[in-house]
Amino acid sequence: AQSVTQPDIHITVSEGASLELRCNYSYGATPYLFWYVQSPGQGLQLLLKYFSGDTLVQGIKGFEAEFKRSQSSFNLRKPSVHWSDAAEYFCAVVYGGSQGNLIFGKGTKLSVKP
Amino acid sequence: EAQVTQNPRYLITVTGKKLTVTCSQNMNHEYMSWYRQDPGLGLRQIYYSMNVEVTDKGDVPEGYKVSRKEKRNFPLILESPSPNQTSLYFCASSPVGRLGISPHLQQYFGPGTRLTVT
Repeated sequence: AQSVTQPDIHITVSEGASLELRCNYSYGATPYLFWYVQSPGQGLQLLLKYFSGDTLVQGIKGFEAEFKRSQSSFNLRKPSVHWSDAAEYFCAVVYGGSQGNLIFGKGTKLSVKP
Repeated sequence: EAQVTQNPRYLITVTGKKLTVTCSQNMNHEYMSWYRQDPGLGLRQIYYSMNVEVTDKGDVPEGYKVSRKEKRNFPLILESPSPNQTSLYFCASSPVGRLGISPHLQQYFGPGTRLTVT
């Protein structure tokens, strides 16, 4: 079955440190890939998405993600984390081409130490 | 301001008492959808609507109903809520609803409704 895996349930980083959140998908063809962020008490906000082309995608708030076909991964990165980045992050995938359903990972909660 | 609104934001109710969570968008989007979010499970789709009067089941439709009488509104109805429907609910809309184009490629989410059923 198609799935999205976020291996880390909870990550804590120090403010100013770099961040990488992992996301792996199971699918033969290249899916559409997304990262969403959910701040406490807030809805979901789209950080970035990958459909095709350049495998390094720039998003909002200084985030980027790299699609690696060989590893079936779409990891989210930020070079220097700010306290306001503390939130829950969801990787999501659309399988099956343009009519596919959106499948979310279980989320990674990010805590930021001062 | 372009947005998806949900009401109420918080609701505590008892088993069996019918309730409706409203969702409205002001972006003239064709596609609307409901998700529930549970700890450790991520978001799962309940129902979706490609356009007015067109609705279909998502991954976890049991215990829920929806209607789409107007383009801007997509209420979620729980006829007889049960404790296992305690969850955080999100409504979403998308401008892309035509055949051949996935509506998930640009989806806007509402702020969420936290429902507790006792």
